[in-house]
Amino acid sequence: KQEVTQIPAALSVPEGENLVLNCSFTDSAIYNLQWFRQDPGKGLTSLLLIQSSQREQTSGRLNASLDKSSGRSTLYIAASQPGDSATYLCAVRPQAGNNRKLIWGLGTSLAVNP
Amino acid sequence: NAGVTQTPKFRVLKTGQSMTLLCAQDMNHEYMYWYRQDPGMGLRLIHYSVGEGTTAKGEVPDGYNVSRLKKQNFLLGLESAAPSQTSVYFCASSTGMDYSNQPQHFGDGTRLSIL
Repeated sequence: KQEVTQIPAALSVPEGENLVLNCSFTDSAIYNLQWFRQDPGKGLTSLLLIQSSQREQTSGRLNASLDKSSGRSTLYIAASQPGDSATYLCAVRPQAGNNRKLIWGLGTSLAVNP
Repeated sequence: NAGVTQTPKFRVLKTGQSMTLLCAQDMNHEYMYWYRQDPGMGLRLIHYSVGEGTTAKGEVPDGYNVSRLKKQNFLLGLESAAPSQTSVYFCASSTGMDYSNQPQHFGDGTRLSIL
C-alpha cells in the first residue's frame, strides 16, 4: 500500500535561508509526484509536477527533485521570504490500483520569519 | 479567469439536515474531484467524475452523493448530515488529456460544521 510521509511536520526559518522540504513514498511505481502549497483558509495551489521519467523540475526559486528508487522527493526553496509561509503538501499518483486517486502526505507547515 | 469556484464558503448545519455543495470550473476540464481535509488525516477523495454524466466513488464515499449534469459543475450532496462530516471540503479539476500527468486545480474550500 502506497504511503506518503513528509518530515518535518513544521519548520521555522529566518528570512533569506535556503531550505529543503522532504517527501518520501513507499512504492516506486508512480506516474508522477506533485508539490502543492496551501495558504491558511485557502485551497491548494500546484507548484511543481515531476513525471516519473524526470529527475527534477524548477520554477523560480523552487526546485523539486525526484529519486524513485529511494522513494524520495525534495522541494528546495532558495532565499526564503515571509510570503513563502504556508503548508507544503506532496502527493503521488500511483500506477497500481485506481490511479485517478492521489496519495497525499500530511504536509510541512513552513514559517519564514522576517 | 476564476478557475475553480466553490459555494458556499462556510456553512453550519444541524445533524440530519441536508445540503448541496456546488463546484464550478471554467477551464473546460474533463475531470472533477471532491476531497475532504481533516486534521491528521490529509486529503481524502470522496467522489470523482471523468466527464459529464459520470461519477465514481473515491475512498470515503459513504454519506455523500454527487452529480455531474453539466461539464462545468460538480455537486456534492449530504442527505442527512452527521457530526463526522464536519470538515473542509475541496473541489478540484484537471484536464482529461494525459490526465496522469496533469496537475489538479483546487477551489478555496467549503468549511462545513455539523452540530
